[in-house]
Amino acid sequence: GAVVSQHPSWVICKSGTSVKIECRSLDFQATTMFWYRQFPKQSLMLMATSNEGSKATYEQGVEKDKFLINHASLTLSTLTVTSAHPEDSSFYICSASFRTDSNQPQHFGDGTRLSIL
Amino acid sequence: SQKIEQNSEALNIQEGKTATLTCNYTNYSPAYLQWYRQDPGRGPVFLLLIRENEKEKRKERLKVTFDTTLKQSLFHITASQPADSATYLCALARSGGYNKLIFGAGTRLAVHP
Repeated sequence: GAVVSQHPSWVICKSGTSVKIECRSLDFQATTMFWYRQFPKQSLMLMATSNEGSKATYEQGVEKDKFLINHASLTLSTLTVTSAHPEDSSFYICSASFRTDSNQPQHFGDGTRLSIL
Repeated sequence: SQKIEQNSEALNIQEGKTATLTCNYTNYSPAYLQWYRQDPGRGPVFLLLIRENEKEKRKERLKVTFDTTLKQSLFHITASQPADSATYLCALARSGGYNKLIFGAGTRLAVHP
């Protein structure tokens, strides 16, 4: 149980393109979803916390207008990287949890490798 | 500022031995500490959670300790197998924090036959 599906797994596109990444909880309702980015050999950096039906909460230094997050249902959150540039190339990972309690594990998708040319 | 340190050097051990990974933190008072496994190109997979009032937690061949005085957690894999080779991440959370986790950079474990 607790499967999170992330799509696409790999994107290569030209600079200036907007890219949408989907994160779905397949067998449970996710109260909260999280979006991370990870550079090689570095830790996961939380970008934003997304609660269904409300605006996402962004971490300090993350541009809201650059990384648009929509959490329209309890099973789907999307991250749109707008007007992507080479410095946005990274590994983006979403996660979901059943509840907002901090004693709950997060269930991760398999990530999206974004490469901007 | 908050800091989580995991040994950045890879840990190489022989199959059958016990692997011990360390997670140290500063300027933080976590209510919970979690350990995850991450394989290359994949998302992390949850392994164990330990609360601040727990000293030790076990699950099959895995054992986690949590010392809030030393601000340290140790993660042990007994009777290690080549299939245990992966990067292991520790993550800390405060209570009431909407389950927001702060991750260490992870330690890569390589178990050799």
